[in-house]
Amino acid sequence: DAGVIQSPRHEVTEMGQEVTLRCKPISGHDYLFWYRQTMMRGLELLIYFNNNVPIDDSGMPEDRFSAKMPNASFSTLKIQPSEPRDSAVYFCASSLAGPITDTQYFGPGTRLTVL
Amino acid sequence: AQSVTQLGSHVSVSEGALVLLRCNYSSSVPPYLFWYVQYPNQGLQLLLKYTTGATLVKGINGFEAEFKKSETSFHLTKPSAHMSDAAEYFCAVSPQGNTDKLIFGTGTRLQVFP
Repeated sequence: DAGVIQSPRHEVTEMGQEVTLRCKPISGHDYLFWYRQTMMRGLELLIYFNNNVPIDDSGMPEDRFSAKMPNASFSTLKIQPSEPRDSAVYFCASSLAGPITDTQYFGPGTRLTVL
Repeated sequence: AQSVTQLGSHVSVSEGALVLLRCNYSSSVPPYLFWYVQYPNQGLQLLLKYTTGATLVKGINGFEAEFKKSETSFHLTKPSAHMSDAAEYFCAVSPQGNTDKLIFGTGTRLQVFP
């Protein structure tokens, strides 16, 4: 398997623009997680899905952020409108089950810069 | 709420020296604890985890960690550092009430000098 695939790897945009980050989980994995990593706040869980259904979005910072998982092989994280403070590395991860019983596999991340 | 604290944002060791990365947890009940490693420009990889059973947990790349309830600690060690161990290391806890999630510490960057 190719592992968790994220695109784009780098994104530079201007404040106010819409940004869409994409993730393809490992085939067969039922869980998908979106994380954000910054120097100030470390690694934060934004939202996770189980069987394509959002389970916990309490980490989503505000209404400008939205995530979808239309099918088992694809998820998006959208920021609209983007702001400079959204600059971070965004990771997607997937697993067969929760972390107690299974390993979370992380993608390489998308480095977002909002000017 | 359960959390983990990593003492020391940066640790430097010489090649061949002992590696000790510290992690303390806050929990009133036995937690589930994890160590992840992040190499430059990559995602995180699981090193090891403690759920139940033996308190000394062995992971990949020669790392191990010991769950010490009396000290609320889960420190990561490796007897002999290698240059390839240079990376950022994250301790994490799975909160009781929602074991689908992981809450990460702030990370410790390990530098290994020749």
